[in-house]
Formats: sequence, structure tokens, C-alpha cells
Amino acid sequence: GESVGLHLPTLSVQEGDNSIINCAYSNSASDYFIWYKQESGKGPQFIIDIRSNMDKRQGQRVTVLLNKTVKHLSLQIAATQPGDSAVYFCAENADSSYKLIFGSGTRLLVRP
Amino acid sequence: GAGVSQTPSNKVTEKGKYVELRCDPISGHTALYWYRQSLGQGPEFLIYFQGTGAADDSGLPNDRFFAVRPEGSVSTLKIQRTERGDSAVYLCASSFGGASYEQYFGPGTRLTVT
Repeated sequence: GESVGLHLPTLSVQEGDNSIINCAYSNSASDYFIWYKQESGKGPQFIIDIRSNMDKRQGQRVTVLLNKTVKHLSLQIAATQPGDSAVYFCAENADSSYKLIFGSGTRLLVRP
Repeated sequence: GAGVSQTPSNKVTEKGKYVELRCDPISGHTALYWYRQSLGQGPEFLIYFQGTGAADDSGLPNDRFFAVRPEGSVSTLKIQRTERGDSAVYLCASSFGGASYEQYFGPGTRLTVT
């Protein structure tokens, strides 16, 4: 299928290393944030979310950090694996609305 | 269980033609969303249904675009007089509710207007 993100910023990491993907959001009223993973030819897949009353949330091998002061969100992936190679998008949801506003993505490449 | 499904997976049409894109949401999900994704960009919101009604269609780019969900389940996105700029991947998502519920995405329909 058509590749997602041919012109996106790329993060290249060695298999087994940790990855950090960053995202800046614009709306200070946003109160819910989500990270999605998108593989080529597929729809976005939910990874982890965080609400604005938290600054950190951990999942399996993933951690999301939220800094509301500077409107910054990051996704940390521990022990990155080849299957983690994909495009990653952050999304925000403002004022408990239903629209997701997606940021520009980052392509993660995992070197074997 | 089955996820969100979309048909067709690919659609090639000539400029000026009419197309319909179908979305089957996850059973039991009352909310359904359409997004459009251009190459190298994140998905952009088009329209949101809660049940049968379009609760927000503010993302539809113009009146050539229309979507329906007559029975509160399957939805169809309709594009009239297609233009080359309509070429994109059209994504459908569904969720249990509206705000702050995880949205599950389908694989998308890649529309190419020649």
C-alpha cells in the first residue's frame, strides 16, 4: 500500500535502544492526548493516552509524558523492536469534544 | 472481535465522477467519525455521527461531500463531482461514546482521482 509519511521527520534507532518521540500541541484547552501508531497501508492504532490532570502514564514498554507548561507531549518506547517501525502521531482532544486534532507525524525506523 | 471495516480498500475514479465510501463500525459503537489523510500528514476530521445524526459536519471541505448513517451503524461518505484534490486516504473510526473515548480506526479507503 501507499507509504504514510514520505516527507515526515525520521527517528532512526538501534534495536534494543529506547526511543523518544516528541510532539508540540497548540491548544492550551486540550485536556486529552493520545498517541497513535500507523503502519503503511493501515489505519492509526491506539497506543496510549493521558489526561491533562496527569503528567506521566505508563503502559507496556511505552510511557507518555505531558508538560502543559510548554505544551509538549512525548512518547518513550523502551527496548525498541523492529515491529515498532511505523509513523507515530500525537492527537489532542479539546474541551472534552469528540474531534481528534492530529499533529504531524514522526517516522520511527528500527535498525536491526 | 471484528474491527472497523471499510470498503473498497482502493478506489480510482475520473475527475467529475461520483463515489461512495462505506464504513462498518465496531458493533455497539454509537459514535462514528470520518477523517481524511493526505500523504505525509495526520488525519483531518471531516464529520462525526452520534447514532443516526451528524452531530458535527464542520470538517467537510465543501458541499460536494456528504455522509449518512441511516440506521446508526453503517455509514457512507459520498463525494460528488470529484476533483484531483480529493485524492487521499479516507479513514473511518468508531467509539463507544463521543468525547474522550478511544477511537478505533479502520484501514481506510485510498481514493485516487485521475
